[in-house]
Amino acid sequence: EADIYQTPRYLVIGTGKKITLECSQTMGHDKMYWYQQDPGMELHLIHYSYGVNSTEKGDLSSESTVSRIRTEHFPLTLESARPSHTSQYLCASSDPGQEYSNQPQHFGDGTRLSIL
Amino acid sequence: GENVEQHPSTLSVQEGDSAVIKCTYSDSASNYFPWYKQELGKRPQLIIDIRSNVGEKKDQRIAVTLNKTAKHFSLHITETQPEDSAVYFCAASILGYSTLTFGKGTMLLVSP
Repeated sequence: EADIYQTPRYLVIGTGKKITLECSQTMGHDKMYWYQQDPGMELHLIHYSYGVNSTEKGDLSSESTVSRIRTEHFPLTLESARPSHTSQYLCASSDPGQEYSNQPQHFGDGTRLSIL
Repeated sequence: GENVEQHPSTLSVQEGDSAVIKCTYSDSASNYFPWYKQELGKRPQLIIDIRSNVGEKKDQRIAVTLNKTAKHFSLHITETQPEDSAVYFCAASILGYSTLTFGKGTMLLVSP
């Protein structure tokens, strides 16, 4: 089934560890996004990509980095986790559509990250 | 950049009543306005969207209206049911850009 998949769903880990959150989509979408969201709260865009080898920073400053080597895969990495990184991270993707035609974003289930 | 304000932050209604959530945006170049529903512990799900060339769109019990002059858009839910209880987010996107700017969300509680 075409969808967007995030792993792990939950992660509890100690301070200073390197973390990679995985996001893959099987919908053939070019555009992908990472959001940070505290439960039930506002979604903050932290990274996005228009396609392979394209990465951009979002509105919210983040110490994380992303890469886009394959169309379907958009992992997010924290080199050294801190308690302030505790949050939920949501991945999304959208179809490019026609030029200048914005398309809806489809979200994954998210990764709930807790840094001790 | 774009700024989206959403009101109210919480809304409690009785089952069968109507619910209205309002959003305003700042950039007149915005032309795409989706609404997402997020149930507790679940992913945000698109429930309806509208583009700036349309003033109103309806899908069963859900409707969205857009006033480009005033730069505001609203979500209307009629005959609310307990399963409508969730956090609702409005968003806006500027013509030619794929990123969305979200409102802070409205927690809707529908009591039986």
